[in-house]
Amino acid sequence: GAGVSQSPRYKVAKRGQDVALRCDPISGHVSLFWYQQALGQGPEFLTYFQNEAQLDKSGLPSDRFFAERPEGSVSTLKIQRTQQEDSAVYLCASSYTDSHTNSPLHFGNGTRLTVT
Amino acid sequence: DQQVKQNSPSLSVQEGRISILNCDYTNSMFDYFLWYKKYPAEGPTFLISISSIKDKNEDGRFTVFLNKSAKHLSLHIVPSQPGDSAVYFCAAKAGGTSYGKLTFGQGTILTVHP
Repeated sequence: GAGVSQSPRYKVAKRGQDVALRCDPISGHVSLFWYQQALGQGPEFLTYFQNEAQLDKSGLPSDRFFAERPEGSVSTLKIQRTQQEDSAVYLCASSYTDSHTNSPLHFGNGTRLTVT
Repeated sequence: DQQVKQNSPSLSVQEGRISILNCDYTNSMFDYFLWYKKYPAEGPTFLISISSIKDKNEDGRFTVFLNKSAKHLSLHIVPSQPGDSAVYFCAAKAGGTSYGKLTFGQGTILTVHP
């Protein structure tokens, strides 16, 4: 596709439910990043992949958050037993080079998660 | 702790004038800085960047200035246009880390009036 695609665009979950958020990066992009953006704040780093390898997951807020990219393309961010504080926009970004070469991030439009 | 701060939540300027957006940081390990622009319901888009070995980088109407001793950077937009109205995020990368692992400020809402 032309850009990074995220689905669903909006997700409402009841507290305690599990959710899965999908990211389709730009074709051929090596690196993929997940960010969380709370209302009125800037994006905060969660985790990143280089191909299928998850190289850094230091930003994941708890063990309820899990991300995977099994074939080095599509990625899924899973949140188990959602809590109200998980309500945020989840942004995915990709770049065409490995993560230690300067290459701008291309962000998707995000998934807005609301936990009620 | 907020390592990247944008102390002005909003800025309003007239079309044709200069817009100056400011950003302060506290982490001396940051070695690369970026500005992103974000329209409502869209993801951020890259605007301009600067390495810590430089003090200025220019791209068309956009210039970023870096003052390392003050741990301050600014984005100048000249001349401002109504289409520049958006949220602007300052971001920084620490040395030795991925170029995609960024620390963002809270954002400044820029409104350019015709």
